[in-house]
Amino acid sequence: SQQGEEDPQALSIQEGENATMNCSYKTSINNLQWYRQNSGRGLVHLILIRSNEREKHSGRLRVTLDTSKKSSSLLITASRAADTASYFCATLNILTGGGNKLTFGTGTQLKVEL
Amino acid sequence: SQTIHQWPATLVQPVGSPLSLECTVEGTSNPNLYWYRQAAGRGLQLLFYSVGIGQISSEVPQNLSASRPQDRQFILSSKKLLLSDSGFYLCAWSGGYRDSPLHFGNGTRLTVT
Repeated sequence: SQQGEEDPQALSIQEGENATMNCSYKTSINNLQWYRQNSGRGLVHLILIRSNEREKHSGRLRVTLDTSKKSSSLLITASRAADTASYFCATLNILTGGGNKLTFGTGTQLKVEL
Repeated sequence: SQTIHQWPATLVQPVGSPLSLECTVEGTSNPNLYWYRQAAGRGLQLLFYSVGIGQISSEVPQNLSASRPQDRQFILSSKKLLLSDSGFYLCAWSGGYRDSPLHFGNGTRLTVT
């Protein structure tokens, strides 16, 4: 089952604008992660925010987490054409046999136009 | 640095044929290993994970199986493919701590005809 649901499903903006993507989840989490996927490729980890954190920055990325609302947002500032990709949130649950289970949402397709 | 290799990149197989997808990790020891499947326009579904050699856990019942014959090798198999097995298969590894992110291979696009 999908734990995270991203909103919007698709987003088209002009280069230089900011892009905001939202993620909602259903159960309590250990952490929430954002990944990026270029078309036809594997996912790349962008940023992780722990359940006891509210905001985190990494370069042009800003992530917020509201555990009371079970939601997170990813902001990409000053977007570039190279930011065009799909973005997924993923929530962490610890597997009973060990290992980390990341449950992914359905993603937001971001297109940044010149 | 750690790298993950996954092959083949694309595969077209007839219904009923066997399947073997391989994934290897370099530059780390005792990684947690994962197989995910991604349907078109959808998120990722965890199929199998492994925390050590010979230790395989399945998340969903299906036509597929996984094996880990060596520490850094993870294989996804099927004896007889179904049309519904088509999809984008991704291998990933992570460290053994809670905040360890997943590192993905470039995936295999499987089309069952």
